[in-house]
Amino acid sequence: QKEVEQNSGPLSVPEGAIASLNCTYSDRGSQSFFWYRQYSGKSPELIMSIYSNGDKEDGRFTAQLNKASQYVSLLIRDSQPSDSATYLCAVKWNGGATNKLIFGTGTLLAVQP
Amino acid sequence: EAQVTQNPRYLITVTGKKLTVTCSQNMNHEYMSWYRQDPGLGLRQIYYSMNVEVTDKGDVPEGYKVSRKEKRNFPLILESPSPNQTSLYFCASSLTERGISTNEKLFFGSGTQLSVL
Repeated sequence: QKEVEQNSGPLSVPEGAIASLNCTYSDRGSQSFFWYRQYSGKSPELIMSIYSNGDKEDGRFTAQLNKASQYVSLLIRDSQPSDSATYLCAVKWNGGATNKLIFGTGTLLAVQP
Repeated sequence: EAQVTQNPRYLITVTGKKLTVTCSQNMNHEYMSWYRQDPGLGLRQIYYSMNVEVTDKGDVPEGYKVSRKEKRNFPLILESPSPNQTSLYFCASSLTERGISTNEKLFFGSGTQLSVL
């Protein structure tokens, strides 16, 4: 069973703080990792992808990958109330005839003004 | 505007009455997929299509059908809906990268909230 696990939250942070969202996965052979943001009542949208160990920065967002420990995280610097949403971790499992993309259940982030 | 268009946005129906949820994308994507999202279970894949006339089952295909006769359209069909199919449904498509149909960077439609009574 290939799994992607996230703490459901809510994770509450004050405006301007760093929000840290974590995700662990079970398949050691996974190669591609994604973070999607989903506002309440809306559809998910891709915000970050990461393929190699280490950090990848894009504006206020930093994705971190540690394949040895099988976790991927998303840091949001200078958190804003507009960042309040559910963040979905997705992991691409490379195996079999197709490469499956498996989603975690998401972490709800609440940024307090 | 590049987008994935799903219709209808909301649908209430009764058990056993066949229905179709339409999905269309204007980005010339080869890969398309249907997901359902339920509280505590996250996004689960129903069916996917790597290209025209190529479809395959995802993790929860029972009770659903799909077809891919044209690249842009990927309708989801519930032949005999049941209450356990009450859910939020998303259609998604993905970029073709280096000539390869891939599911890596998904663009989602706005969703269809289905209630089966």
